[in-house]
Amino acid sequence: SQTIHQWPATLVQPVGSPLSLECTVEGTSNPNLYWYRQAAGRGLQLLFYSVGIGQISSEVPQNLSASRPQDRQFILSSKKLLLSDSGFYLCAWSLHSYEQYFGPGTRLTVT
Amino acid sequence: AQSVTQLDSQVPVFEEAPVELRCNYSSSVSVYLFWYVQYPNQGLQLLLKYLSGSTLVESINGFEAEFNKSQTSFHLRKPSVHISDTAEYFCAVSPRSGGYNKLIFGAGTRLAVHP
Repeated sequence: SQTIHQWPATLVQPVGSPLSLECTVEGTSNPNLYWYRQAAGRGLQLLFYSVGIGQISSEVPQNLSASRPQDRQFILSSKKLLLSDSGFYLCAWSLHSYEQYFGPGTRLTVT
Repeated sequence: AQSVTQLDSQVPVFEEAPVELRCNYSSSVSVYLFWYVQYPNQGLQLLLKYLSGSTLVESINGFEAEFNKSQTSFHLRKPSVHISDTAEYFCAVSPRSGGYNKLIFGAGTRLAVHP
C-alpha cells in the first residue's frame, strides 16, 4: 500500500531564515505531487504541483519554491521566511484517479 | 474556472442527532466531487467521492452524499453523529478535463458534536 511522509512535523523559525520541508511517497511510481498551505481558519491553497522529476508548476507567486529531485520526493523551500509564511503545509499525491491523498502535514510558525 | 461554496463555517450538533453539511459548486465543465475530513493537527482523509454512476455515495463510517447536477450540490449527511465525528470537513471538485488532478476546495465546515 502507499504511504506519504512529511517532516518535520512542527517547525518554529525566525523571520528571514531559510526553510526546507520534505515529502516522500512510498509504494507507487510516477505520482503527481502537490504542496498546499492551510492558514488558520482558512481553506487549502494549492502552492505547487509536479507531474514528474524536475517538472514544477506554481499556482501562486510567492516567497516559496519547490523541487522534485527524485520521483517520489517533493521539497518545499524558501530562502528568507516571512511572517505570512506561517501555516500548516500539506503534501499530497495522486495517480490516474482523481482523488488526492494527503500527508500528515507540517506546522510552521514564523516568529 | 471552478469554485466551491460551503454554506456553513460551523455546525454544532448533539450526539446521535442527524447532520447535513452543505456544499455547492460552480463549473463550466463536468466535475468529480469529493468530501475530505480533517481531524485536529492532521492531514486530510478522503471520506467519499463521486466519479460516475449512482448519484448517492456512501462512506464506511455512515456518511453519505448525493450529487445533484441541477442544483450543483453535493451535500454530506449522517443520520446519527458521534462525538468522534467532530472534525473539519472539506468539499472539493476536480474538473474532468485537464492534465493533472486539480482539486478546488471549499473553505471548510467545522462540525462540533456535543454530548
